[in-house]
Amino acid sequence: EIVLTQSPGTLSLSPGERATLSCRASQSVSSSYLAWYQQKPGQAPRLLIYGASSRATGIPDRFSGSGSGTDFTLTISRLEPEDFAVYYCQQYGSSPRGTFGQGTKVEIK
Amino acid sequence: EVQLVESGGGLVQPGGSLRLSCAASGFTVSSNYMSWVRQAPGKGLEWVSVIYSGGSTYYADSVKGRFTISRHNSKNTLYLQMNSLRAEDTAVYYCARGMIAAAGSYYFDYWGQGTLVTVSS
Repeated sequence: EIVLTQSPGTLSLSPGERATLSCRASQSVSSSYLAWYQQKPGQAPRLLIYGASSRATGIPDRFSGSGSGTDFTLTISRLEPEDFAVYYCQQYGSSPRGTFGQGTKVEIK
Repeated sequence: EVQLVESGGGLVQPGGSLRLSCAASGFTVSSNYMSWVRQAPGKGLEWVSVIYSGGSTYYADSVKGRFTISRHNSKNTLYLQMNSLRAEDTAVYYCARGMIAAAGSYYFDYWGQGTLVTVSS
């Protein structure tokens, strides 16, 4: 089973700054089957990125995903106030059982 | 418009049972992969179960043998029957639609708002 490790656990930044979130897999993720989700307090997760780098419908272009193999990155080019949230990665290539990372919280500095 | 609305959560004693429902609109449940994902208080996301469009089902090891995922095609509704509940099953349970990338590979494009299950005496 592939284990996903996200870093850092918490990222303290100011609006307008660039956020770089990492997701590292214990084994290679086949076909770059990696997704990113955003979750705000009291809300359901929202799909941001799938296939490592494809933005979901309606997601602003300040969100971008990159990476392959075992190392993936979610970048938020300029943080807006509504971007402060918890972000999860998920791999979906290795088995029917979905695997999530433990999450990275992006908080206001 | 795609919508998923969960119901059926609540307080249950250890060893008890509960059935969660997820009513879908805007798409056909039986033509899609459908999953349950849970989130314990203050914790991260944990995949629980999936039912494929062909009917195959899979479970997390933590719930295998206790939980059953199913669907009612004419009601366009997904279910999760939870038996022998434990304190560690306490969580918000989300239903989610699986977008198929390849056979057996899927990510979640739509989520319900979640229903809280509390297992406590």
